[in-house]
Amino acid sequence: EVQLLESGGGLVQPGGSLRLSCAASGFTFSSYAMSWVRQAPGKGPEWVSVISGSGGSTYYADSVKGRVTIYRDNSKNTLYLQMNSLRAEDTAVYYCAKGGANIVYWYFDLWGRGTLVTVSS
Amino acid sequence: EIVLTQSPGTLSLSPGERATLSCRASQSVSNNYLAWYQQKPGQAPRLLIYGASSRATGVPDRFSGSGSGTDFPLTISRLEPEDFAMYYCQQYGSSPLTFGGGTKVEIK
Repeated sequence: EVQLLESGGGLVQPGGSLRLSCAASGFTFSSYAMSWVRQAPGKGPEWVSVISGSGGSTYYADSVKGRVTIYRDNSKNTLYLQMNSLRAEDTAVYYCAKGGANIVYWYFDLWGRGTLVTVSS
Repeated sequence: EIVLTQSPGTLSLSPGERATLSCRASQSVSNNYLAWYQQKPGQAPRLLIYGASSRATGVPDRFSGSGSGTDFPLTISRLEPEDFAMYYCQQYGSSPLTFGGGTKVEIK
């Protein structure tokens, strides 16, 4: 079955760190760019970061640049997002999303169920 | 950054009626790289339309996207009970990727 399964979310204090993971199955993981997209409560989705199929190219939204790192392990079919210096405004459901091709700026044809990150003291 | 404005914020209609949702971009979307997603409460978004008018796999033909440049409507020809949900547009023609604020289609 083609699916994405995120994990690693939780409650963290402001300034803290968290690493999200996304396990992919049912498709050739290394052939597709992968993104993290977040959605704050009651808001529309917000693209966070993207990584090319090989992992050689990465891009970030200005809102997270310098605080998060996206990377992937194609041998494990897993995508990661390391988040540091977390702020209250980072509170959201974080989705792992598969690009429709190995093109970094593209639409998303598969999404995971999401993992909730809450930043609060 | 391209800002996408969706209207109306909420559309109240009855099953069987036609729905027309609007997505307007602050500048022209390159190659009409515009996608539409449906999202139900507690679920992830689901791709409906890409390239402004191409339906994703498994999407019923009552969903149709059109438009070019800065104006991209989504039409649902006859609303089915399962179509009542949030709808978001997204542009992928330029960096950063951006989404609209959404339109809620609710049962009247």
